[in-house]
Amino acid sequence: GAVVSQHPSRVICKSGTSVKIECRSLDFQATTMFWYRQFPKQSLMLMATSNEGSKATYEQGVEKDKFLINHASLTLSTLTVTSAHPEDSSFYICSAPDWAKNEKLFFGSGTQLSVL
Amino acid sequence: QKEVEQNSGPLSVPEGAIASLNCTYSDRVSQSFFWYRQYSGKSPELIMSIYSNGDKEDGRFTAQLNKASQYVSLLIRDSQPSDSATYLCAVSTTNTGNQFYFGTGTSLTVIP
Repeated sequence: GAVVSQHPSRVICKSGTSVKIECRSLDFQATTMFWYRQFPKQSLMLMATSNEGSKATYEQGVEKDKFLINHASLTLSTLTVTSAHPEDSSFYICSAPDWAKNEKLFFGSGTQLSVL
Repeated sequence: QKEVEQNSGPLSVPEGAIASLNCTYSDRVSQSFFWYRQYSGKSPELIMSIYSNGDKEDGRFTAQLNKASQYVSLLIRDSQPSDSATYLCAVSTTNTGNQFYFGTGTSLTVIP
């Protein structure tokens, strides 16, 4: 199946710092990518939809100035958690649909963010 | 009303039994349906996709779709302890710009 690569897999940072997470589609072009957050034993929560060449669409309640999304190319989207605080600690997952494969949605391996 | 609903479980079955996971959805124009498996601490992994009414089989997995009833299910035959995970049902529709909607997941435990 299609491959979506996400880095880093784990990051620990101090409160107040910013963290960038990268999501790459390795063998297909992704005009759209989705960013999710998941707390332990809870379901996926869609944060935003990243669109190549245009502004991201954020879900209600997600601060766009805190979670900066950039989708500068057809294979790369980044999520930057700015001025991270302990409550931002979570599992962040990106995904991308491969429209050439009947729009199947493929996920990156996730990033576990821990803010001290 | 949630777009996609699943019984959160937990569902426990003995090894070798059939596990049946169910999902209902609310949007009648939904076009594509997916089942994902998610192990604890890992990201979801696509295991089945189905697009038309009926059954689709892949190894020990069978997906069943009934669009009239807005119902999609996943059967796991000969369940193994390694099947213990959370199973997510996902539905996509193109009428609102290619949206994917996920259920909250069903936790499955296969008891050796």
